[in-house]
Amino acid sequence: AQTVTQSQPEMSVQEAETVTLSCTYDTSENNYYLFWYKQPPSRQMILVIRQEAYKQQNATENRFSVNFQKAAKSFSLKISDSQLGDTAMYFCAFMLVMIKAAGNKLTFGGGTRVLVKP
Amino acid sequence: KAGVTQTPRYLIKTRGQQVTLSCSPISGHRSVSWYQQTPGQGLQFLFEYFSETQRNKGNFPGRFSGRQFSNSRSEMNVSTLELGDSALYLCASSRGDISYEQYFGPGTRLTVT
Repeated sequence: AQTVTQSQPEMSVQEAETVTLSCTYDTSENNYYLFWYKQPPSRQMILVIRQEAYKQQNATENRFSVNFQKAAKSFSLKISDSQLGDTAMYFCAFMLVMIKAAGNKLTFGGGTRVLVKP
Repeated sequence: KAGVTQTPRYLIKTRGQQVTLSCSPISGHRSVSWYQQTPGQGLQFLFEYFSETQRNKGNFPGRFSGRQFSNSRSEMNVSTLELGDSALYLCASSRGDISYEQYFGPGTRLTVT
């Protein structure tokens, strides 16, 4: 079974600064996807960024970027130029790529609460 | 394109009752997954439906069940409610092939008293 660990329960950052969230995962499989989801106080889960395990290049989405270290099974998220609207819970998630018949399933980490201070 | 919708948004039930939650996926999406979110257990996968068939199931008791209709809308049912079933229930939709992006609805907050 796959597990996802987020070791930082809570982080705070000043507006306009950069914060990095850690995520490690455990799997014996080689073909998978990794995601970061954001859950603001509204509780709506929003996809922030995704990374395919077969891609060496780190994914970037505007102010969000990842550092994917496959050998170390590490997948950190960097938020640059933090904005007040970035205040939320951030979840790291893992999905094994399986044959279609086996379906899709996300395994989540415990989350990191990010507070952006003005 | 409209997002994933879930109804009702809030629900209060009594122990022993049963409840049905509904999820309408994004138009064109054929896969619907359900997750339970609690402060103690975090986010846990319940099950996934694709083309009216359960494709994957998490580690939950048989009191938790679901179904999917021909229009891809899905319902989940919890029978004989327990206090521990109080949670935010999230539904996510995806295209259903091995495409991996899941888009979440706003959730249904269930409180069991």
